[in-house]
Amino acid sequence: GDSVTQMEGPVTLSEEACLTINCTYTATGYPSLFWYVQYPGEGLQLLLKATKADDKGSNKGFEATYRKETTSFHLEKGSVQVSDSAVYFCALSDTDSGGGADGLTFGKGTLLIIQP
Amino acid sequence: GAGVSQSPSNKVTEKGKDVELRCDPISGHTALYWYRQSLGQGLEFLIYFQGNSAPDKSGLPSDRFSAERTGGSVSTLTIQRTQQEDSAVYLCASSLKVDQPQHFGDGTRLSIL
Repeated sequence: GDSVTQMEGPVTLSEEACLTINCTYTATGYPSLFWYVQYPGEGLQLLLKATKADDKGSNKGFEATYRKETTSFHLEKGSVQVSDSAVYFCALSDTDSGGGADGLTFGKGTLLIIQP
Repeated sequence: GAGVSQSPSNKVTEKGKDVELRCDPISGHTALYWYRQSLGQGLEFLIYFQGNSAPDKSGLPSDRFSAERTGGSVSTLTIQRTQQEDSAVYLCASSLKVDQPQHFGDGTRLSIL
C-alpha cells in the first residue's frame, strides 16, 4: 500500500536559517503530493502541492519539487521565521489533485521550532 | 465562518458510552472525509463521502464506528461502546469535488476515561 516517510522531529533552528524537511513516498500509481501545516492550536492547512513529476509547489516562501526518480518531495525554505513554528505533514493522494476515494496518506509529521 | 466546522471541539466520556461527532463542510463541497489523529498512529483516513454515499467503509477501525451524511451536507461519525483506544482527535475535511484539495476543520478531541 501507499506510505509516506518524513524526517522525525523536533527540528530546531534559529531565525533566518535554511530549512529542509525530508519526505519520501511509496505509491502504486502516480500520486499527487502535498505539504500540510498545523500551527499551534489551529487545524491542518494546505501549504503547497504538486500533481506530476518535476512540478514545483510553492507558498509563503516554502518550496517542494516532485522527484519521481527519488520518490521524494522535500520541503525547503531559505530563511525561516519564528512564525513558521508548526507541525508539517507530507501527504500523498493516488488520485489527481485532492484526495479521492482513498483519502490522503500522511506522514507522521515533523515539529519545527524556530528560535529568535 | 466559511470553513469546515466540527462539533464538539472537545468531548470527554466514560468507556462504554456512545458518542456522536458532527462535521459541517464548506457550503457546496460535495466530497467529505473523516480522519483520526492519534499519537501512536499519526493521521489515519477513515471514510469518504461523495454526496451522501460512502463507497468504501473498510477504513473504519471497527464495527463500533459508523458514519452518515444527509442532504449532501452535514456528516456525523458515531462511535458505539467507546474504548480507551478510541481517544484521539477526529478531523473532518471537505473538497469541492473529489479531485480538489481538502480543507480541514479544527477537529474534535475525544477523551475516553
